[in-house]
Amino acid sequence: DIVMTQTPDSLAVSLGERAIINCKPSQSVLGSSNNKNSLAWYQQKPGQPPKVLIYWASTRESGVPDRFSGSGSGTDFTLTISSLQAEDVAVYYCQQYYTPPLTFGQGTKVEIK
Amino acid sequence: EVQLVESGGDLVQPGGSLRLSCAASGFTFSSYRMHWVRQAPGKGLVWVSRIKSDGSTTDYADSVKGRFTISRDNAKNMLYLQMNSLRVEDTAVYYCARSSNYFDSWGQGTLVTVSS
Repeated sequence: DIVMTQTPDSLAVSLGERAIINCKPSQSVLGSSNNKNSLAWYQQKPGQPPKVLIYWASTRESGVPDRFSGSGSGTDFTLTISSLQAEDVAVYYCQQYYTPPLTFGQGTKVEIK
Repeated sequence: EVQLVESGGDLVQPGGSLRLSCAASGFTFSSYRMHWVRQAPGKGLVWVSRIKSDGSTTDYADSVKGRFTISRDNAKNMLYLQMNSLRVEDTAVYYCARSSNYFDSWGQGTLVTVSS
């Protein structure tokens, strides 16, 4: 199974400041046939289902604000919130869809400092 | 608009059975792979099972293999999860989710509580 390790477990950032979340799969999720990284980022607010923010490691889902960006390849990925807004308080998960069992990171809780 | 509505969650005793349903609308259900993902109270997301668009192939997490069965009825736009031999550790909100690759749509979830 591919183990997804996120760091940190939680972070507190001032409004308008940058938040960075890291995700390290235990093996590469880069597909040899399509040269794409099968990694997505989700945001989950309390009492709500998750919502996809980023897929293929760096493609922003339609309607997602451009302050959210994803980067990385292979076994090292990052989600960046360039200017934290109050509505971004949530838990963020990375997930690999490279091979079953599909696996998630443990989540990173983002709060306002 | 894509809609996924889960139902069937309940309080059940250990060793019991339950069937969850997910009603899909707003898209061509038979074109998409579908999944069940669960989340124990206060915990993270765990993928449970998936089924190919035509129902021909299924996959399961090791923790539920042999106890849970995923199925679908494309004529009725319905996804199911038959859960047998339930354990306390199966207590969670169960979400159905659509994917072409990543999970692009999620239901609101249904709560399954396994307790004596």
